[in-house]
Amino acid sequence: SQQGEEDPQALSIQEGENATMNCSYKTSINNLQWYRQNSGRGLVHLILIRSNEREKHSGRLRVTLDTSKKSSSLLITASRAADTASYFCATDYGNKLVFGAGTILRVKS
Amino acid sequence: DSGVTQTPKHLITATGQRVTLRCSPRSGDLSVYWYQQSLDQGLQFLIQYYNGEERAKGNILERFSAQQFPDLHSELNLSSLELGDSALYFCASSEREGSRGRETQYFGPGTRLLVL
Repeated sequence: SQQGEEDPQALSIQEGENATMNCSYKTSINNLQWYRQNSGRGLVHLILIRSNEREKHSGRLRVTLDTSKKSSSLLITASRAADTASYFCATDYGNKLVFGAGTILRVKS
Repeated sequence: DSGVTQTPKHLITATGQRVTLRCSPRSGDLSVYWYQQSLDQGLQFLIQYYNGEERAKGNILERFSAQQFPDLHSELNLSSLELGDSALYFCASSEREGSRGRETQYFGPGTRLLVL
């Protein structure tokens, strides 16, 4: 089974609105990463947050990590049509990086 | 452009056949990772090589094998292909061995395999 699970599975919003995606994981982690995938293309790294960090920002992205709840959230502010993509969290599991099932975000213009 | 290249982009073959997918990592990256992405299984980690040696293994079938060459490019060999092997196969690279999930992985554009 997946180490990380995203929620919701799909999200549809209007341009300009904020989008929040959540990730839950099962075992303790050292780091958590978020990636974006445009349709059928390779994944692109967005942000990495370490287990001793609680919040991290990168442009319009804000990631939080709650290790007590084994969960993370990715907030995209002022969304744009170009943000339409699938978003995956990835956690370390042993020597591996394990990806969740992803959240499909659709931003309507 | 991530700097990771994969060939071919598309591959159509028949059941029972064998194919080889090729990956060139970003310049200077020592680790190569292979992933399989399908609608029902999601993104599955297959195997990782670091500086020519196998570093980590995931859900890789015995019919599949990989290697990393001295110039650091990698090949994924898929044999006795079945319909269920149809998927997107991604290669990614990172600078070092990527333990504890502390390194960014840079993904190639993928090879889309269709087994008929």
